[in-house]
Amino acid sequence: GPKVLQIPSHQIIDMGQMVTLNCDPVSNHLYFYWYKQILGQQMEFLVNFYNGKVMEKSKLFKDQFSVERPDGSYFTLKIQPTALEDSAVYFCASSGGLGGAETLYFGSGTRLTVL
Amino acid sequence: GEQVEQRPPHLSVREGDSAVIICTYTDPNSYYFFWYKQEPGAGLQLLMKVFSSTEINEGQGFTVLLNKKDKQLSLNLTAAHPGDSAVYFCAVPQSCSAGNKLTFGIGTRVLVRP
Repeated sequence: GPKVLQIPSHQIIDMGQMVTLNCDPVSNHLYFYWYKQILGQQMEFLVNFYNGKVMEKSKLFKDQFSVERPDGSYFTLKIQPTALEDSAVYFCASSGGLGGAETLYFGSGTRLTVL
Repeated sequence: GEQVEQRPPHLSVREGDSAVIICTYTDPNSYYFFWYKQEPGAGLQLLMKVFSSTEINEGQGFTVLLNKKDKQLSLNLTAAHPGDSAVYFCAVPQSCSAGNKLTFGIGTRVLVRP
């Protein structure tokens, strides 16, 4: 089936530094998402993105977070500066359309550890 | 907003036995539901998409039942085999959002023992 690739699979970083998580979505998809899963907790919506703009974001999407997809390359999540509570697995997803019936295709996640 | 409870968090079954995972949701306006399977080191793989008008949905080696009255969605693995060992997530789109915001269950780690 369609594949979403996330790079890297693991990232360890010191608190206060910047980190960029990369996502290669399904090739003809137009809608992109980030979800966050803290260990032992539910996966939670962070943000969705379409046509170069954030459509919706949750309260977890702090001011230190930003997303972009420059020129059709990777869809990225940047955190600057990082904090200890940013340690989690971040899942990228993409879909071909919008609406409750659309299937989101997920990557395998990037495990971020902030020391 | 939508809340989803999933149980059990862990499930150990013998090969050939059946297993049931249950998700309870809160929004009566929910009309689509998803089950995802995550094998070790892999992404979430769509197992089944369920529309609210269909109460019984059959896949290969599993059945998904939707009980709208009790707002419950269940994944029934029949004759489990080692390839079924994975983490299973239910997910429900938030009906108040047009932006594909999914509310996930906490996941069920299934281990199928030989």
